Amino acid sequence: SQELEQSPQSLIVQEGKNLTINCTSSKTLYGLYWYKQKYGEGLIFLMMLQKGGEEKSHEKITAKLDEKKQQSSLHITASQPSHAGIYLCGAPAGGTYKYIFGTGTRLKVLA
Amino acid sequence: NAGVTQTPKFRVLKTGQSMTLLCAQDMNHEYMYWYRQDPGMGLRLIHYSVGEGTTAKGEVPDGYNVSRLKKQNFLLGLESAAPSQTSVYFCASSYPPGRQANTDTQYFGPGTRLTVL
Repeated sequence: SQELEQSPQSLIVQEGKNLTINCTSSKTLYGLYWYKQKYGEGLIFLMMLQKGGEEKSHEKITAKLDEKKQQSSLHITASQPSHAGIYLCGAPAGGTYKYIFGTGTRLKVLA
Repeated sequence: NAGVTQTPKFRVLKTGQSMTLLCAQDMNHEYMYWYRQDPGMGLRLIHYSVGEGTTAKGEVPDGYNVSRLKKQNFLLGLESAAPSQTSVYFCASSYPPGRQANTDTQYFGPGTRLTVL
């Protein structure tokens, strides 16, 4: 079965610093979604990547999908306390409508 | 447009008690899902539904039942709660993958925090 592995599991950075979160799939991805979750809340959709080599940006967050479509990275530039939360990657398993998720990366940004 | 709503937000049960979690969506999505989220294990799919009147098992279905009598509602039932079911439960909904290529995603509810003593 397909699995998504995220790294690191947790991250503490000083405000203003850049950071990267990785998501690696055990099989080729048909699509890769990035979500953000704040404590006690649901998941908020950030971006979706479908094509190998694709890169998308929203405000200070950039996500990339590698050419082989097995790894994605989420990069935050000049982090702010508002970026704090749990970041999860998700994907449809084997191209089906059953989604799988990584275990999440807990980000803390120190002011 | 409320999106995906879940009821209740918090609940404490004793072992052996039963309860039903309600999920409602107003986006006319065909697909609905129930997940549980546990520390270090991410989100795991319990049951899902691809349309009104149809349900299917996900990754961790034991101890749960679901029903989708109306397109907008997806109910998750615990017949005899166990401490292992202490978790945060999320409902999600979506269109069938591929219908809206650039915005295909699941929309999540705010979660229900369940504690079983």
